[in-house]
Amino acid sequence: QKEVEQNSGPLSVPEGAIASLNCTYSDRGSQSFFWYRQYSGKSPELIMFIYSNGDKEDGRFTAQLNKASQYVSLLIRDSQPSDSATYLCAAHSGGGADGLTFGKGTHLIIQP
Amino acid sequence: DTGVSQDPRHKITKRGQNVTFRCDPISEHNRLYWYRQTLGQGPEFLTYFQNEAQLEKSRLLSDRFSAERPKGSFSTLEIQRTEQGDSAMYLCASSRTGLGLEQYFGPGTRLTVT
Repeated sequence: QKEVEQNSGPLSVPEGAIASLNCTYSDRGSQSFFWYRQYSGKSPELIMFIYSNGDKEDGRFTAQLNKASQYVSLLIRDSQPSDSATYLCAAHSGGGADGLTFGKGTHLIIQP
Repeated sequence: DTGVSQDPRHKITKRGQNVTFRCDPISEHNRLYWYRQTLGQGPEFLTYFQNEAQLEKSRLLSDRFSAERPKGSFSTLEIQRTEQGDSAMYLCASSRTGLGLEQYFGPGTRLTVT
């Protein structure tokens, strides 16, 4: 059973601070990982993806992957109220299966 | 470059009726995916196509569900004899060919079965 685990939150962070979102996955065969942002009532929006161990930066966002620990994280620097949303972590396993396995999401609240 | 589009955006139906949803992927994307999302959960994978071939189906896709992509462009998802438990957001995503590549979601179709 492939599983992706996230703390559902809410995670409350002051405006301007760093928000840190975490995710663990059970399938050691997982090869690529994705972070989606989802506003209430809307569909998921892809914000970051990472395939290799280490850090990947894109603007205010940094994704971190540690395959040995089966751990993925997303850092949001200089958090803005518009970053308030649910953040979904997803994993893709190899072996011919191409559907993503999603966590339940972490609800992030940026306090002005 | 237009994104993934889905139609209708909302559908209310009575239990036992059949419904059909349409998804148009990003034009250069060969892969098309269907997911279902209920409140408080992440999207759950249902099925995917590469061009017109349906390559994978989740065990969540019961016999009442059928998906097609006849010409390798748009796709339809049909639910027969709807049940209240089918109420959910049905999401379509597309990606370029290749395993593990980024999937981009459409706006979704929210189904309510009364």
